Amino acid sequence: AQSVTQLGSHVSVSEGALVLLRCNYSSSVPPYLFWYVQYPNQGLQLLLKYTTGATLVKGINGFEAEFKKSETSFHLTKPSAHMSDAAEYFCAVSVPFNTGKLIFGQGTTLQVKP
Amino acid sequence: GAVVSQHPSWVICKSGTSVKIECRSLDFQATTMFWYRQFPKQSLMLMATSNEGSKATYEQGVEKDKFLINHASLTLSTLTVTSAHPEDSSFYICSARDSSGSYEQYFGPGTRLTVT
Repeated sequence: AQSVTQLGSHVSVSEGALVLLRCNYSSSVPPYLFWYVQYPNQGLQLLLKYTTGATLVKGINGFEAEFKKSETSFHLTKPSAHMSDAAEYFCAVSVPFNTGKLIFGQGTTLQVKP
Repeated sequence: GAVVSQHPSWVICKSGTSVKIECRSLDFQATTMFWYRQFPKQSLMLMATSNEGSKATYEQGVEKDKFLINHASLTLSTLTVTSAHPEDSSFYICSARDSSGSYEQYFGPGTRLTVT
């Protein structure tokens, strides 16, 4: 079975500061991993995903994440936060070559202070 | 890019009535669609996997007779909340999996259901 744990339900950073959102996963097989962003009353937008290959994945809006198998982690980072980054972020895992069902973490609210 | 629409975007209904929510993939075919439920300030909970031309697969604890899912075509899945009650009030989000080869999954904008 797969599961995802996001450490920190709420993260606050200053504009221009580093953003670090933590995600740890549990999977019985090599997983596919995803980060999504959700703005209020909207659906989810894919930021980036890891399937195979390079463990450092670059996504949209300057975000990137690194798959670390030894640490079962897939933390999301951005060097410099913008006010527009304030949103809810979800880490998710799925099993390759399966239905594509996603298991989501609890979510992390990112607050960006001016 | 791939677009998934949901209709309606919000709906208010009276307790005891049924409500149908549509999920459409606008520019790609999707043999598999997913329905999620999201409570305020919480994560998405997968309700069911909708497969074109066959019965949906429901997650444990989800009442299949209450949440009827129909996936009649490669671009349309519907979720019907039957005999709705106030506790069914929630944000319902669908996603559609591109079956053309990329198997990318795209999310709809969500439907806010309020049962009075």
